[in-house]
Amino acid sequence: AQSVTQPDIHITVSEGASLELRCNYSYGATPYLFWYVQSPGQGLQLLLKYFSGDTLVQGIKGFEAEFKRSQSSFNLRKPSVHWSDAAEYFCAVGAKGNAGKSTFGDGTTLTVKP
Amino acid sequence: GAVVSQHPSRVICKSGTSVKIECRSLDFQATTMFWYRQFPKQSLMLMATSNEGSKATYEQGVEKDKFLINHASLTLSTLTVTSAHPEDSSFYICSACGTRSTDTQYFGPGTRLTVL
Repeated sequence: AQSVTQPDIHITVSEGASLELRCNYSYGATPYLFWYVQSPGQGLQLLLKYFSGDTLVQGIKGFEAEFKRSQSSFNLRKPSVHWSDAAEYFCAVGAKGNAGKSTFGDGTTLTVKP
Repeated sequence: GAVVSQHPSRVICKSGTSVKIECRSLDFQATTMFWYRQFPKQSLMLMATSNEGSKATYEQGVEKDKFLINHASLTLSTLTVTSAHPEDSSFYICSACGTRSTDTQYFGPGTRLTVL
C-alpha cells in the first residue's frame, strides 16, 4: 500500500528565509511524486512533479524538490519565502497513468512572518 | 492551459434537498475526472472516479446512491448530493486528467457545501 507522511503539521518562517517542507513516501514501485499548494478556500495547484530523470525538479513560484530514493523522500524547498507563499502544502504519491489514485499527505501549513 | 472550473463555488441548502456541483475542463478534454472531499484541516479523500460515457467507480465507503456522478461529455462531470444532510457539509473538489496523459491531474477551485 502506498502512503505519504508529512512530518510537520505547521511551519513558520520569516519572509525572505529559506524553506524546506518534508515528505516521506512508501510505494512498492517507481513512484510518481507531486507537490501541491492550496490557498484557503481554494483547490489545489500543482507546484511540481517527479516522474523520472533528474532527481532535482524545478517547479513554479521558485519551488524545487529533490527525489531521494534511498531516503524515500521528496522534500520541497524554496530559497527565499514570500508572504504570498503562506498556504497549505500537500505531497502526494501516485502510479503511472493513474493520477487520480494518488495518496495525499495530511498537509503542512506554512505561516510567513513579516 | 489545463484549467478546471467548478460551479457553484459555495452553496447553502436545507436538509433533505439535492445539490448538483459541476466540474468543467475549460481548455482540454478530460476522459477521466475525480471527485474528492476535504474536511477542515484535513487532506483530500478520493470519493469516485468519473469516466466519460461510463459509470463512475466509487471508493470503498462512499454511497453511490447518495453521491450521483455523471460524466456526459469530455469536458463536464457533475456530482449530485442527494437528500443532503448536515454531515454532508464539506469542501468538494474535482480534478481532471487530459486525454493525452493520465499521469497528472488538474484541480478545480472547489465547492463549499453547507447543509442546514
